[in-house]
Amino acid sequence: DAKTTQPPSMDCAEGRAANLPCNHSTISGNEYVYWYRQIHSQGPQYIIHGLKNNETNEMASLIITEDRKSSTLILPHATLRDTAVYYCIVRVQSGNTPLVFGKGTRLSVIA
Amino acid sequence: NAGVTQTPKFRILKIGQSMTLQCTQDMNHNYMYWYRQDPGMGLKLIYYSVGAGITDKGEVPNGYNVSRSTTEDFPLRLELAAPSQTSVYFCASSYNTGGGEKLFFGSGTQLSVL
Repeated sequence: DAKTTQPPSMDCAEGRAANLPCNHSTISGNEYVYWYRQIHSQGPQYIIHGLKNNETNEMASLIITEDRKSSTLILPHATLRDTAVYYCIVRVQSGNTPLVFGKGTRLSVIA
Repeated sequence: NAGVTQTPKFRILKIGQSMTLQCTQDMNHNYMYWYRQDPGMGLKLIYYSVGAGITDKGEVPNGYNVSRSTTEDFPLRLELAAPSQTSVYFCASSYNTGGGEKLFFGSGTQLSVL
């Protein structure tokens, strides 16, 4: 089972920031937090990942709390094309173990 | 680069038939994975490989087999298809830089077992 907790669904108005929360209270000190998204029935797409510091790339920003027990993915100006299921992932076991996907958050961007 | 290529895109099988889902990547990634996704659900890991000649079971391996004879190819074999194996199958590859890893997914194979 995934080690993360996400709300099952969220709505966001087009042009506004979408803030997607994730709880990962059992994360170990050297494990990354990964975010992927899946648009309709396509293969999941990598968004961003981080360890301790906040991260930003061309797609999104990742804010990780100081205790690392939760994080927030921010899409600064959501568009209709950002409607997707967003997965927050932390390794189930430390080391070279695969990423396990939970059920994610279904984000609906509304015009 | 083509990335991760899966074939076929669609397939209908009869119960008890066998087939192989093909997956190839041209990024020289060591890690490869097979996931399945049932309607409205998240992805479940079937098998994975950390390099040529090495494979390991994931969450839902029963009814499937894999092999990894080359870095590029990671085929998934269904020996006796069952209706419970109706799903969308995704292959992925990744590399670990020491600063986390990034998975690249194929476009999926939609399989129906009737």
